[in-house]
Amino acid sequence: EIVLTQSPGTLSLSPGERATLSCRASQSVSSTYLAWYQQKPGQAPRLLIYGASSRATGIPDRFSGSGSGTDFTLTISRLEPEDFAVYYCQQYGSSPPTFTFGPGTKVDIK
Amino acid sequence: EVQLVESGGGLVKPGGSLRLSCAASGFSFSNAWMSWVRQAPGKGLEWVGLIYSKTDSGTTDYAAPVKGRFTISRDDSKNTLYLQMNSLKTEDSAVYYCILTSWYAQAYWGQGTLVTVSS
Repeated sequence: EIVLTQSPGTLSLSPGERATLSCRASQSVSSTYLAWYQQKPGQAPRLLIYGASSRATGIPDRFSGSGSGTDFTLTISRLEPEDFAVYYCQQYGSSPPTFTFGPGTKVDIK
Repeated sequence: EVQLVESGGGLVKPGGSLRLSCAASGFSFSNAWMSWVRQAPGKGLEWVGLIYSKTDSGTTDYAAPVKGRFTISRDDSKNTLYLQMNSLKTEDSAVYYCILTSWYAQAYWGQGTLVTVSS
């Protein structure tokens, strides 16, 4: 079973700064199967990135995803006030078919 | 517009059963892979299970903690997804989200329904 580790656990930044979030897998993951989500308090999560680097519908271009193999990154180029939230990565494994989420990174206001 | 509306949550005793429903609209439900994901209070996200579209076998896959206790089903004539939960444990307490799964990701989420397992 693939385990996802996210770092840092908490990222304290100011609006306008760049945020770099890491997701590391215990085994190699196909880029096709790596996704990122944003969750704000009291809300359901929202898909940001799928296929490691493709933005979901309606997601601003300040969000970008990259990486391959075991190391993936979500970058927010310039933090807006509405971007302070928890971010989760997720991978799909095909044998057996399962989805696994990372523990999350909280981006809060410095 | 994709809409997913869960219902059926509530308080149940350990060992009890509960059935969640999810009414779907705004997309071709019969062709969709549908999932359930849960989130315990103050915790992270945990995938529960998936049902494939009938054209992709219509079968189900489950996470290890719920396998044998939970059953996902669908009624394509009613655009409705179900989660039958039996032998509930306190650790099953969570918000349960109904999800349209696409591109091997959880593309659209419902607002969630809270299940509390407590004596």
